[in-house]
Amino acid sequence: SQQGEEDPQALSIQEGENATMNCSYKTSINNLQWYRQNSGRGLVHLILIRSNEREKHSGRLRVTLDTSKKSSSLLITASRAADTASYFCATERVGNTPLVFGKGTRLSVIA
Amino acid sequence: DVKVTQSSRYLVKRTGEKVFLECVQDMDHENMFWYRQDPGLGLRLIYFSYDVKMKEKGDIPEGYSVSREKKERFSLILESASTNQTSMYLCASMRDSSSSYEQYFGPGTRLTVT
Repeated sequence: SQQGEEDPQALSIQEGENATMNCSYKTSINNLQWYRQNSGRGLVHLILIRSNEREKHSGRLRVTLDTSKKSSSLLITASRAADTASYFCATERVGNTPLVFGKGTRLSVIA
Repeated sequence: DVKVTQSSRYLVKRTGEKVFLECVQDMDHENMFWYRQDPGLGLRLIYFSYDVKMKEKGDIPEGYSVSREKKERFSLILESASTNQTSMYLCASMRDSSSSYEQYFGPGTRLTVT
């Protein structure tokens, strides 16, 4: 059962530009997480935002969460070629159930 | 640093073979997970385990079984491999389910069934 849906499916930007990815979900959550996956590799956790938080920063990453709209956004500022990867949101639903991952956004940063 | 290892990066098996995918984590995590990842479908949960000898079905358990005899090891078993099980298989571990924690992933096993 897919909970999160990322938008856009693919994004191509120039190095130095900002990249914004969005995630929408359907049911109440405990937290929302963002992961990155380089081609053919496992996922790497980027950031976790709890349901009572609205915004969180980590380096060049900024995540927002709007529980009333059931949506989140991931902003990568001053993108680099090394940011090229797929980005997934994952939600932990209320009730202590496993994370549910979206289908991901493929980000290409062109040098 | 947490390390999650998977027994093979690439595996080619024939239809009908029994396939074992092994996953080991070194951080004494309680929870372990098996996912498959297919283009356009994202990650789908096959099975997970909250403790040794415990297992729970995920969203797509059909055709798979699991074994967790030791805390650090979680095995995925394809009893009789079929071509529709050709996929990338990802194992993950997590500290426990009592609070909000992230999952740590292995590098993945790309399985091809011919």
